[in-house]
Amino acid sequence: GESVGLHLPTLSVQEGDNSIINCAYSNSASDYFIWYKQESGKGPQFIIDIRSNMDKRQGQRVTVLLNKTVKHLSLQIAATQPGDSAVYFCAENIAGGGNKLTFGTGTQLKVEL
Amino acid sequence: DGGITQSPKYLFRKEGQNVTLSCEQNLNHDAMYWYRQDPGQGLRLIYYSQIVNDFQKGDIAEGYSVSREKKESFPLTVTSAQKNPTAFYLCASTEAPNYGYTFGSGTRLTVV
Repeated sequence: GESVGLHLPTLSVQEGDNSIINCAYSNSASDYFIWYKQESGKGPQFIIDIRSNMDKRQGQRVTVLLNKTVKHLSLQIAATQPGDSAVYFCAENIAGGGNKLTFGTGTQLKVEL
Repeated sequence: DGGITQSPKYLFRKEGQNVTLSCEQNLNHDAMYWYRQDPGQGLRLIYYSQIVNDFQKGDIAEGYSVSREKKESFPLTVTSAQKNPTAFYLCASTEAPNYGYTFGSGTRLTVV
């Protein structure tokens, strides 16, 4: 989920388990969504994207699900590894909004050995 | 390799000074963006440019200025009017609408 302030939502998982990170987006006119991974002190890295005409998209060990009815996006990471520890952001592009992404506040994923 | 280069990685500014953050890309992308990130928070849009010699204000443009004289370059100036400039600044670019951004590695600005 989303929050404001200095404390990110945190998800702790055991190595090898599946992780699910959720995001509630704000605008029903959003037509494109992206998940980014950000490690400490680095720029965000693209993970996977999905367009509004799709409900599901799969990549390598990652799946994004889009539920437009409730404006909800999720990122599933299979067999979570220590290298997956990072902050994960969802981003949305609002159609007609000038080609600029709006980012959520992020979720901290911690993988425990 | 193609990518976005931000410099410097760390920058210290005295009160009342203007400082300029560099962002260069060799991806041949038309659109470029500047975001600010505060600890534990998401990215907020400062300025963006869809094409050379044109740029628009984002959500938090006050106290910042940009230029886009070349396709490859989109420098950000943090002016003395920005009262709380300490943050992590990220530059990004994209090849077309509805494509993901490529981000630089960021510049951490601290006021001393």
